[in-house]
Amino acid sequence: AQTVTQSQPEMSVQEAETVTLSCTYDTSENNYYLFWYKQPPSRQMILVIRQEAYKQQNATENRFSVNFQKAAKSFSLKISDSQLGDTAMYFCAFINSGAGSYQLTFGKGTKLSVIP
Amino acid sequence: KAGVTQTPRYLIKTRGQQVTLSCSPISGHRSVSWYQQTPGQGLQFLFEYFSETQRNKGNFPGRFSGRQFSNSRSEMNVSTLELGDSALYLCASSLAGTEYGYTFGSGTRLTVV
Repeated sequence: AQTVTQSQPEMSVQEAETVTLSCTYDTSENNYYLFWYKQPPSRQMILVIRQEAYKQQNATENRFSVNFQKAAKSFSLKISDSQLGDTAMYFCAFINSGAGSYQLTFGKGTKLSVIP
Repeated sequence: KAGVTQTPRYLIKTRGQQVTLSCSPISGHRSVSWYQQTPGQGLQFLFEYFSETQRNKGNFPGRFSGRQFSNSRSEMNVSTLELGDSALYLCASSLAGTEYGYTFGSGTRLTVV
């Protein structure tokens, strides 16, 4: 069974600073996808960034980037130039690419507060 | 393009009752998944449907069931409600699942009293 671990229940960062959220996962599969989702108080889960395990290059989306270390099974999220609107719960998630999966496995989440 | 729509937003039910939640996916998305979110257990997978067929089911009792219609809209039903069923129920849709990631709705907050 796959597991996803987020070791930081809460974090805070000053506005305009950079913060990194940690995520490790455990799987015996070789092909899979990793995601970071953001859940603000509005409750809607918003996809922040995705990474394909077979790609060496780290994904980036504007101020968001990941550090994907496949051998270490680590997938951290870096948020640059933090903004007040980044305040939210952040969830790391994993899904196998093989047939028969179709389910996301989530970590417990990290509550990020951006301080003005 | 409309997002994933879940109705109702809030629901209060009594123990022993049953409830039906609705989800309309993004137009063109054929995969619909359901997740239960609670403070204690986090996000847990309930089931996934594609073209009206359940492809995967999580570890939940048989009181939890779902279905998908030909227009990809989905419903989930919980019978004989228990206090522990109080949660945020999230629906997510995708073109076909897996690599595309999922787009989530805002959820239905179910409170069982």
